[in-house]
This record gives sequence, structure tokens and C-alpha cells, in this order.
Amino acid sequence: QKEVEQNSGPLSVPEGAIASLNCTYSDRVSQSFFWYRQYSGKSPELIMSIYSNGDKEDGRFTAQLNKASQYVSLLIRDSQPSDSATYLCAVIGDGGSQGNLIFGKGTKLSVKP
Amino acid sequence: GAVVSQHPSWVICKSGTSVKIECRSLDFQATTMFWYRQFPKQSLMLMATSNEGSKATYEQGVEKDKFLINHASLTLSTLTVTSAHPEDSSFYICSASSTSKLSNEQFFGPGTRLTVL
Repeated sequence: QKEVEQNSGPLSVPEGAIASLNCTYSDRVSQSFFWYRQYSGKSPELIMSIYSNGDKEDGRFTAQLNKASQYVSLLIRDSQPSDSATYLCAVIGDGGSQGNLIFGKGTKLSVKP
Repeated sequence: GAVVSQHPSWVICKSGTSVKIECRSLDFQATTMFWYRQFPKQSLMLMATSNEGSKATYEQGVEKDKFLINHASLTLSTLTVTSAHPEDSSFYICSASSTSKLSNEQFFGPGTRLTVL
């Protein structure tokens, strides 16, 4: 059973702080990793994708991947109240180019003004 | 980015009726479309994967005769919930991906909220 694990939270951070979201996955052959943001009652929105070890930065977001540890994280700098949402970690399970996404259960982030 | 639309955004129906949900990729050709279901406070659960012109592949536990999927063109897939019952009430979300894109990202539609009375 291929799994993606996330701490469900809620994770509460003050406005302006760094929010750190973590995810582990069980399938060693996974090659593609994604972070989605989902507001309540809405569908997921892709924030970041990462495919190789190391860091990938996009604005206030940084994704980090460590395949040896089967660990992927998302850092949100200068957190804003509008960042309050559930963040879903997703992994392509079979390593294929059109493989199925396996989602974690999500971490609920709350940014307090 | 890539835009995916769904229609309707919400629907209320009586038990026993069938409901069709459309998923369209607006600015790219979607070789593969995925259908998910999300119950309150739970994560997305993949129901089925469909490739244009071929039969959908259903996940274990999803009844193919109840959830009919058609992917007749590269921009349109439909999900029909047949003989809907209250336990089918959920948030149905489609996503689309394309081999023409360098990445294998999936782009999600806005979802359809189904309520069966």
C-alpha cells in the first residue's frame, strides 16, 4: 500500500512567520512530488512541483525534497492570513509520466493576524 | 497555467435519479483525466482514470456500473452518477493532465458538489 503521510495539524503560525509543512512517502520509486493548497469548499490548487533532490523556490514558497529520506516539505515565508488553508502533499505513485496522484490527508494551516 | 472547468458547480437531485458532470480542459488537450471524490474533512480519493478514446480504469471499490465515465474527446470527460443515493452526496472533482506538457502535473477543476435527497 503506497502511502503519503502528513501531520493533520492544525498548524498555527503568526502573520509574518515561516510555516513549515512536512510530508513522508512510502514508495521509493516515486519521482514526482507536488504541493496543493485547498481552501475550504474549493478544489485543490497546485502550488509547487519538485522532481529532484534539494530546494526549489517560487516566491514565498520553497519546496524541499530528500529522496533518501523519502521526505518532502514546503516552507512558506512571510505567512499571510490568506495562506490559511489545507495543504495537500501528493506523489505520483508509479513513477510514470501519467501516473496517479496519491494524496496525503493534508495539513491545516492557520495564520493568525 | 492550464484551465479546467466543471459543470455544474453544484446539483441537488432526488434519490434514484442520474446526474451527469462535465469536465473540460479549456486551453490544452487532456490526454488523461482523473475523477476524485472528497467527503467532508477527508482527503481526495481517486475514483477512476480515463484516457481519451479508451475505457476508464476504476479504483478498487468504485462501481463502474454506477459511476459511468466517458472521455470521448481530448477536452471533455463526463462522469454520470446513476441511480444516485444520499450516500453518493459528495464533492466530485476532476483533474486533467497532458503528455504535451513537460511536467506531469494535474490541473484540477473547481469541483461539483452533489447533494442527493
